Amino acid sequence: DIVLTQSPATLSVTPGESVSLSCRASQGISTSIHWYQQKSNESPRLLIKYASQSISGIPSRFSGSGSGTDFTLSINRVESEDFSVYYCQQSYSLPRTFGSGTKLEIK
Amino acid sequence: VQLVESGGGLVQPGKSLKLSCSASGFTFSSYGMHWIRQAPGKGLDWVAYISSSSGTVYADAVKGRFTISRDNAKNTLYLQLNSLKSEDTAIYYCARAYFDFWGPGTMVTVSS
Repeated sequence: DIVLTQSPATLSVTPGESVSLSCRASQGISTSIHWYQQKSNESPRLLIKYASQSISGIPSRFSGSGSGTDFTLSINRVESEDFSVYYCQQSYSLPRTFGSGTKLEIK
Repeated sequence: VQLVESGGGLVQPGKSLKLSCSASGFTFSSYGMHWIRQAPGKGLDWVAYISSSSGTVYADAVKGRFTISRDNAKNTLYLQLNSLKSEDTAIYYCARAYFDFWGPGTMVTVSS
């Protein structure tokens, strides 16, 4: 199974800062990585697909990059509504696997 | 697109439960579907997948105990949970093939 390692586990930032969240795969997965946001007591929401492809309705401050084993979700100028947990997930092979998540919290 | 899970509840260890996911707003028969679960306070855990042609794949933790199925005439996805264990306690979500749409989830609690 492909293991996804997210870092950091928790990121404390001030609104207006820009941040980068990391996801590393245990083997090369091309660009088959997707990013999700999960707010408390809600189901996950797809933010970015295939490493860098935008999703309709998602604010442009969210962007993704990377290929192979190293991937990054960037948030340009974090807003109050962005404080939540972010997960990466791979679709390179079955079983699908998720990272353990990065919690973005207010400093 | 709307996905709505149902069938969760409190069940004793070793017992069974059947979850449903009602789909609308898209051609259900054309899409593979997933079940994903999330234990209280934990991360996301992929459970099972069924293709549009009803091929199935399971996570090792549930293989042999859970069965995913679908009824295209009813636009409904199912997950049969047998031999339940306390570690199966979680919110169970259904999601469309590319995880672009998720249901709100249904809670399963396994406890005596």
